[in-house]
Amino acid sequence: ELKVEQNPLFLSMQEGKNYTIYCNYSTTSDRLYWYRQDPGKSLESLFVLLSNGAVKQEGRLMASLDTKARLSTLHITAAVHDLSATYFCAVVPLTGNQFYFGTGTSLTVIP
Amino acid sequence: GAGVSQSPSNKVTEKGKDVELRCDPISGHTALYWYRQRLGQGLEFLIYFQGNSAPDKSGLPSDRFSAERTGESVSTLTIQRTQQEDSAVYLCASSFRGSQPQHFGDGTRLSIL
Repeated sequence: ELKVEQNPLFLSMQEGKNYTIYCNYSTTSDRLYWYRQDPGKSLESLFVLLSNGAVKQEGRLMASLDTKARLSTLHITAAVHDLSATYFCAVVPLTGNQFYFGTGTSLTVIP
Repeated sequence: GAGVSQSPSNKVTEKGKDVELRCDPISGHTALYWYRQRLGQGLEFLIYFQGNSAPDKSGLPSDRFSAERTGESVSTLTIQRTQQEDSAVYLCASSFRGSQPQHFGDGTRLSIL
């Protein structure tokens, strides 16, 4: 059974601090996606990582992909309150087009 | 509009009733996905349509669940004889083709009394 695990599940951090969210998966894949979900809202695409070593940055968020380790990271730099949300990673296996989502990381940034 | 549209946004119904949820994908998007999200949990894959190919129904939890899509247009998810455990937000997403970034609708919040 394909598994996508995120950790931590819950993260409370102070404004201005740095932290990393991890996404481990159990299948061979070179396609990984990060999404953001605000409470009561739908999912918003953040990053698409399509090859080993891919790194994408947008504002205070940076995502990377290591396909050999089957690991993606979402790094938060100098957190601000507006980043409070739940973050999901999703993996697409090499064979097939089904998206497998992680359990999500609920981030709260405290002023 | 330019986004994925889902209706209704909220649905409250009695246990045992049938419900039909609708998804209008972004024009030109050949791939369409349905997911279920229970409160405080991640997304659970239900079904995937790609163009005119046979859909991937591997995520449907029981035979009470079915979905249809005509060509590359609207999709409907039907739940028959609803149960309380069906209460969740049902999300639809579309993409230009399978594995491309998905664009999500706002979901239908289904509550079974």
